[in-house]
Amino acid sequence: AQKVTQAQTEISVVEKEDVTLDCVYETRDTTYYLFWYKQPPSGELVFLIRRNSFDEQNEISGRYSWNFQKSTSSFNFTITASQVVDSAVYFCALSEANFGNEKLTFGTGTRLTIIP
Amino acid sequence: DAGVIQSPRHEVTEMGQEVTLRCKPISGHDYLFWYRQTMMRGLELLIYFNNNVPIDDSGMPEDRFSAKMPNASFSTLKIQPSEPRDSAVYFCASSFLGTVYYNEQFFGPGTRLTVL
Repeated sequence: AQKVTQAQTEISVVEKEDVTLDCVYETRDTTYYLFWYKQPPSGELVFLIRRNSFDEQNEISGRYSWNFQKSTSSFNFTITASQVVDSAVYFCALSEANFGNEKLTFGTGTRLTIIP
Repeated sequence: DAGVIQSPRHEVTEMGQEVTLRCKPISGHDYLFWYRQTMMRGLELLIYFNNNVPIDDSGMPEDRFSAKMPNASFSTLKIQPSEPRDSAVYFCASSFLGTVYYNEQFFGPGTRLTVL
């Protein structure tokens, strides 16, 4: 069975600080995909990144970066120089990479508050 | 593209009434997903379709819930009769089975359902 754990329920940081959101996953599959979604106060879910299990290279997109480590089954998300607009709930998710089973398993989310 | 469209955005109904939520996926997408989000249970996958055919409905809570996809551009989620514990935000998402965009699900804005 697949499982995604986001142990940090809520995080608050002062604007311009760096913050890391943790994600630990469990799966028996050797091929899988990991995702991060952002849910701002307006409520919609916004796709941030997809990473497949064969690609352990870290990725950077502007102030966002992701650290994927298969050895620890973690896919952590770092926001550098945080801004108030980063305040949102962030979800980590996992799916198998098998055709016919495209279900996403979500973590419980981390509510990030950036204090001005 | 207009993105995933859901209607209504808000629905308030009384216990025992029938509720129908609607979703129009992104044109060309061949997967459609229905999720429910609550504070207690987080984001749960209820059911998903591939090419209008239900693939996995194991997340549908009980017989009061039903979902249909009569064509590639429309799906409904019906609750009959509704109960207060059905109060949640219901999201529809769609995706395209392609190598590059594998399982990148695009979410609609959600329908906030309140059952009194």
